[in-house]
Amino acid sequence: AQKVTQAQTEISVVEKEDVTLDCVYETRDTTYYLFWYKQPPSGELVFLIRRNSFDEQNEISGRYSWNFQKSTSSFNFTITASQVVDSAVYFCALIRMDTGRRALTFGSGTRLQVQP
Amino acid sequence: DAGVIQSPRHEVTEMGQEVTLRCKPISGHDYLFWYRQTMMRGLELLIYFNNNVPIDDSGMPEDRFSAKMPNASFSTLKIQPSEPRDSAVYFCASSFGSRAEAFFGQGTRLTVV
Repeated sequence: AQKVTQAQTEISVVEKEDVTLDCVYETRDTTYYLFWYKQPPSGELVFLIRRNSFDEQNEISGRYSWNFQKSTSSFNFTITASQVVDSAVYFCALIRMDTGRRALTFGSGTRLQVQP
Repeated sequence: DAGVIQSPRHEVTEMGQEVTLRCKPISGHDYLFWYRQTMMRGLELLIYFNNNVPIDDSGMPEDRFSAKMPNASFSTLKIQPSEPRDSAVYFCASSFGSRAEAFFGQGTRLTVV
């Protein structure tokens, strides 16, 4: 079985603060993919990043960065200099490739509120 | 590309009625997924197709739910009869390959009264 845990239910920050969203996953597969999605108040799910289990390089895209550590089974997401437009629910997700269903298993999400 | 298109965006129906949700995946994508989102259970997979063939329907709650994909550009999710506990946002998503990111439609908000 696989599981994705996002322990932070809700985070509130003031604009321009940095914020890190935590994601811890469980899987017995050696090959898997990790994802982050954003769900703004309008409700759609927007893809942010995909990472495979063999690539532990951190990634930076503008104000967004991701830290993947297999040793701690974590795939954390940091927003630098947060903006009001970053307010959304963020989901971490996993697809395992060795066995079982080839579909996203989502965490419960972290609601981020950025206050002006 | 227009993205994944779902219809209707909102549906209000009475308990016992049949409800059909529709999805047009992104052209060329070979995987199609149906997810349901509720406050209590979060985002859960209902069923997914590969090349129009249902691969895993273990997430379908019960026999009242059925899904079809008659061709590569169209899928339906049907609930018959509907119940108030089916109220949720239903998302359709598609991807190119099983390793790739899935792109989601805007969802159908279903309310069963």
